[in-house]
Amino acid sequence: AQSVTQLDSQVPVFEEAPVELRCNYSSSVSVYLFWYVQYPNQGLQLLLKYLSGSTLVKGINGFEAEFNKSQTSFHLRKPSVHISDTAEYFCAVSPSGSARQLTFGSGTQLTVLP
Amino acid sequence: DTAVSQTPKYLVTQMGNDKSIKCEQNLGHDTMYWYKQDSKKFLKIMFSYNNKELIINETVPNRFSPKSPDKAHLNLHINSLELGDSAVYFCASSRTSGGPTDTQYFGPGTRLTVL
Repeated sequence: AQSVTQLDSQVPVFEEAPVELRCNYSSSVSVYLFWYVQYPNQGLQLLLKYLSGSTLVKGINGFEAEFNKSQTSFHLRKPSVHISDTAEYFCAVSPSGSARQLTFGSGTQLTVLP
Repeated sequence: DTAVSQTPKYLVTQMGNDKSIKCEQNLGHDTMYWYKQDSKKFLKIMFSYNNKELIINETVPNRFSPKSPDKAHLNLHINSLELGDSAVYFCASSRTSGGPTDTQYFGPGTRLTVL
């Protein structure tokens, strides 16, 4: 079984500042890792995913994440945020080879302040 | 064109009633899912169907019954609604049953409120 911990439930940040949203996972097998974004009153949209290969993954809207196997982490970063990035961000994990078995973290609300 | 659509968007009902939520995807995907998001925004999978066959059935009360008339539709029927069923329910779909290049596409959600 897998589990995901998102360490920060809320992250306020000023516009154009950098941001890091933290995600740690636990699994006894190798995993795929995902970040999803949920804008207000909308469904989830995939930001990026790590399947294998390079540990630095680039996604949409200028986001990137780095897979760190030794620290079992998959933190999401953006060098300069915009007001429009205000949303809920979910980290998720699945066993490698079975992306249907997604386990989600509890989410991090990113609020970008003017 | 909406890829994954759900109806209704909002559903308010009394305890004890029976209700259904419909989901349709026009992506040609073979696999569909239902998730429940509780008041703390914790998202948990409930069911998954692949080509109309149940492949994931997490610990969910028997009052919840998914129905897949064809691979483009996965409806969720809930009997004898309880206060604790209040949540946002998300439908999702993916091309296959979970290969490495698969991505789950989510619908906009149905907010169910049980009074």
